[in-house]
Amino acid sequence: DADVTQTPRNRITKTGKRIMLECSQTKGHDRMYWYRQDPGLGLRLIYYSFDVKDINKGEISDGYSVSRQAQAKFSLSLESAIPNQTALYFCATSDQDHPYARTSETDTQYFGPGTRLTVL
Amino acid sequence: GDSVTQMEGPVTLSEEAFLTINCTYTATGYPSLFWYVQYPGEGLQLLLKATKADDKGSNKGFEATYRKETTSFHLEKGSVQVSDSAVYFCALSEGAGYKLSFGAGTTVTVRA
Repeated sequence: DADVTQTPRNRITKTGKRIMLECSQTKGHDRMYWYRQDPGLGLRLIYYSFDVKDINKGEISDGYSVSRQAQAKFSLSLESAIPNQTALYFCATSDQDHPYARTSETDTQYFGPGTRLTVL
Repeated sequence: GDSVTQMEGPVTLSEEAFLTINCTYTATGYPSLFWYVQYPGEGLQLLLKATKADDKGSNKGFEATYRKETTSFHLEKGSVQVSDSAVYFCALSEGAGYKLSFGAGTTVTVRA
């Protein structure tokens, strides 16, 4: 089973509709992220969360909101979808810092398979 | 702010050819550097990383060396296979947030 899952994998919706994208992880990581991918622009960070009570805006948060329902779940919502939100959306996770660990993997992020969203 | 610039694609190669994808970065401190790969229809996977100057990351025949003097982290593979066809992203993370800054991605197609 995949460690990071996203639902739905594909979604077509109309302008003005509310959409929720969901992300679940079984890696036990505290940190979770939402990115969008557009051709020629790479991935851009929308929101990130370091634990259930800590949510932060990324570089392109306008038009989006998030909810961290539990350590393992992080949802992204588009309150009123618009066509320029058509993109591929990725969820990612990473581990918290462990100061006494011999090696650190906290800077490595693990990605879900993505959700392709089309807004007509 | 932090940024990553990587060579534009697409890149098309024949099997067993040498591959290099250039990546340069701008950062205020001492970032960790990464190469992620995205195979068709899949999410991103970490390919390799380096956390300090002169470190070499390697995996699946790919290599990249962290060059602080030229602020570069070029990806190389000596003999590519059709299965290496993918989009390759250079990225960096800096600071306590461990937020990743990505390059635009380079599409590589390897033909038999």
